[in-house]
Amino acid sequence: DQQVKQNSPSLSVQEGRISILNCDYTNSMFDYFLWYKKYPAEGPTFLISISSIKDKNEDGRFTVFLNKSAKHLSLHIVPSQPGDSAVYFCAATTSGTYKYIFGTGTRLKVLA
Amino acid sequence: GAGVSQSPRYKVAKRGQDVALRCDPISGHVSLFWYQQALGQGPEFLTYFQNEAQLDKSGLPSDRFFAERPEGSVSTLKIQRTQQEDSAVYLCASSPGSARLHFGNGTRLTVT
Repeated sequence: DQQVKQNSPSLSVQEGRISILNCDYTNSMFDYFLWYKKYPAEGPTFLISISSIKDKNEDGRFTVFLNKSAKHLSLHIVPSQPGDSAVYFCAATTSGTYKYIFGTGTRLKVLA
Repeated sequence: GAGVSQSPRYKVAKRGQDVALRCDPISGHVSLFWYQQALGQGPEFLTYFQNEAQLDKSGLPSDRFFAERPEGSVSTLKIQRTQQEDSAVYLCASSPGSARLHFGNGTRLTVT
């Protein structure tokens, strides 16, 4: 049973346009969500996070939106740049615990 | 400062061999995690240490897998009698206790 799902394995976007990556979760106990970015042959690096007390968190070109009723979050990248091409993982956890559940990732390709 | 360091980067083992994977976390990080990432999947939790105490090993796939962190810093993941299904990238992550995990670049294990 996959508690965190990223249903789009890949996404291609033109440079300068918006990239939208989606993530769904099933466990209503999750209250903290993170996005990680992974380049080939490297470990995932933290990108942005959001607590369930918020519905939006912004950091430069990256914005994460959380819809608790739909158990859905999305990562928006505006404007997209070729260096953003990577695999993006959504992760979820419950505060006070240590277990992070990761989605299967979405491979983003930004075309120059 | 130095990040999480894992060695070796690549390991090829013949089926039935034992392997040992090393993780040097960020200095001062209390929490240490091991994750397994199969091809095309997201990282999956294996085990968690707080200092030298292994608080959760529920993700270890079988009793062939063993992890230790005897002095609360460096950790070793050992796999005995490797099988082909053990082929994966093994990721180590550390954390100062906050929600954000800092990952190493992983060890790619191939069992032939």
